[in-house]
Amino acid sequence: QVQLQESGPGLVNPSQTLSLTCTVSGGSISSGNYYWSWIRQPAGKGLEYIGRIYTSGSTNYNPSLKSRVTISVDTSKNQFSLKLSSVTAADTAVYYCARVCDSGDYVYFEHWGQGTLVTVSS
Amino acid sequence: QSVLTQPPSVSGAPGQRVTISCTGSSSNIGAGFDVHWYQQLPGTAPKLLIFGNSNRPSGVPDRFSGSKSGTSASLAITGLQAEDEADYYCQSYDSRLSGFWVFGGGTKLTVL
Repeated sequence: QVQLQESGPGLVNPSQTLSLTCTVSGGSISSGNYYWSWIRQPAGKGLEYIGRIYTSGSTNYNPSLKSRVTISVDTSKNQFSLKLSSVTAADTAVYYCARVCDSGDYVYFEHWGQGTLVTVSS
Repeated sequence: QSVLTQPPSVSGAPGQRVTISCTGSSSNIGAGFDVHWYQQLPGTAPKLLIFGNSNRPSGVPDRFSGSKSGTSASLAITGLQAEDEADYYCQSYDSRLSGFWVFGGGTKLTVL
């Protein structure tokens, strides 16, 4: 069973860059028809799609965050990463990484990490 | 403001049936894109509940069912149990701009 684990600083200064890594275990990040995605959830609020990457390097980002987001993949480490620049308090949230299954018929968020809280504050 | 609209809350007594709606538009659900549902128990990560409008992953009880029609989708839960108390999110794809995945605002289910 695949497992995903987010890691990175829990506190980021305003105007700085938030950096998180998702480590995938129980399977190769390069195998199968999967996208690898980041989603966030501010406290007490709903889920917000941030973006995704395919192992070919193809990316897709939420238009509302696109100018500040970069998602990359390191197949040698079985990891993918998120960078969000120029952060403000509004970026404080629990950040989830997820594996997105493309079955050919449907594309859906199949497995989720446990999430990591990132607070933007000085 | 979420692209997909869900009621903030629904409630029901044990054993009852509840439904949660998810309303989109012509650029997402109405364009034929599939709807998926996720259950988020308190303090945990979301979990896939329904994929492809009406399909249950293995391990999900058949008390949970999904449907889609026009620009909307619905999640139905029958035989309500205390353990069903959670937040529920719908998710689809929106074709505007370059296209991107979208979530509903979430619905809090309270079992009375």
